Amino acid sequence: NAGVMQNPRHLVRRRGQEARLRCSPMKGHSHVYWYRQLPEEGLKFMVYLQKENIIDESGMPKERFSAEFPKEGPSILRIQQVVRGDSAAYFCASSPPSQSNTEAFFGQGTRLTVV
Amino acid sequence: AQSVTQLDSQVPVFEEAPVELRCNYSSSVSVYLFWYVQYPNQGLQLLLKYLSGSTLVESINGFEAEFNKSQTSFHLRKPSVHISDTAEYFCAVKDAGTASKLTFGTGTRLQVTL
Repeated sequence: NAGVMQNPRHLVRRRGQEARLRCSPMKGHSHVYWYRQLPEEGLKFMVYLQKENIIDESGMPKERFSAEFPKEGPSILRIQQVVRGDSAAYFCASSPPSQSNTEAFFGQGTRLTVV
Repeated sequence: AQSVTQLDSQVPVFEEAPVELRCNYSSSVSVYLFWYVQYPNQGLQLLLKYLSGSTLVESINGFEAEFNKSQTSFHLRKPSVHISDTAEYFCAVKDAGTASKLTFGTGTRLQVTL
């Protein structure tokens, strides 16, 4: 049973380009969460999705950032027109479809570097 | 809104010495509490969690944490650390009984030396 898979592990983008980060949750998991970790900081919540629905996007920047979790395929975090301040590690976590969701399983992260 | 405070950003300790990593939280609702460990360039791994019941919870590698509701704390302890325990440790909280996000502290870097 593979864990949460994120790709790519490392991504380099020039300022103004688009970054697409992918997350395949664990088998049977229908809840996906995205977090961002800036250097020397903890993880900050960005968005919580279930299949085809955004449940909580209170942590998403208002512009340039979007997320989706389609019926088929991985969840995608998309950053348009990247800037240097977007450089960070982006982590995805998944959990099973239970009401209480007592545990979230994390992927290895995608480290985005904007040059 | 919830918040988590980890007062110690770094904790240096010698091998085989005891250690305590402090975590305090604030929430207006009942919560679940977690400790995650992150090794360099890795994702987060769950170390232990408190959901309900006994306030003392243990991990398989010798760590334990005690939930103290009156002091809103969930400190992590280990009686004797090993070099391999060197890592970043994150305390986190979420609403109990609902599918919701985790709120993390800023982390404590545990550095174990000989």
